[in-house]
Amino acid sequence: GEDVEQSLFLSVREGDSSVINCTYTDSSSTYLYWYKQEPGAGLQLLTYIFSNMDMKQDQRLTVLLNKKDKHLSLRIADTQTGDSAIYFCADSHSGGYQKVTFGTGTKLQVIP
Amino acid sequence: DGGITQSPKYLFRKEGQNVTLSCEQNLNHDAMYWYRQDPGQGLRLIYYSQIVNDFQKGDIAEGYSVSREKKESFPLTVTSAQKNPTAFYLCASSTWDSNNEQFFGPGTRLTVL
Repeated sequence: GEDVEQSLFLSVREGDSSVINCTYTDSSSTYLYWYKQEPGAGLQLLTYIFSNMDMKQDQRLTVLLNKKDKHLSLRIADTQTGDSAIYFCADSHSGGYQKVTFGTGTKLQVIP
Repeated sequence: DGGITQSPKYLFRKEGQNVTLSCEQNLNHDAMYWYRQDPGQGLRLIYYSQIVNDFQKGDIAEGYSVSREKKESFPLTVTSAQKNPTAFYLCASSTWDSNNEQFFGPGTRLTVL
């Protein structure tokens, strides 16, 4: 079946850039998302990219998509302690019931 | 103030008891979902509903049941048949929008004693 993979943990120093990586298996994915989950809370959409795009930038966030390698990354510039959270990669398809498949989540720890 | 709410935030249950988790949304979304979250396993889909009075099994439906009698409400019952129910349960909703963003509730942590 469809699979979305992420590394489980990333640690960075405050002020550095963070790069969280994700690989997916479904070549027919239409949308790819990055969600953020703070401790004990639900998920919140950070950003998403349409599959015909290579890059999307939104303030400190940059999403890169390599469709050939089925690789998605999220770069957070000038990482702050408030960015400490779990980040989920996810994908879905257009048309009909749009099932979203979530990755395992990457826990980002920002060291002051 | 639009949003999605779940109650209670923490729930304790004895083995052998059924328990119902509440999920309500006032976003006027047609679709609603229940996920289970376990450490290191991401989110796994339990049930989803695309429209009132209709719902479908997700990837791990065994031991769970749902109902969708109103558009705003999608309660989840964890039955005694669920072998390992201790987990964090997340409810979400979405509309048939172009990007299919899912809006999540704050979650319910269920612990079986």
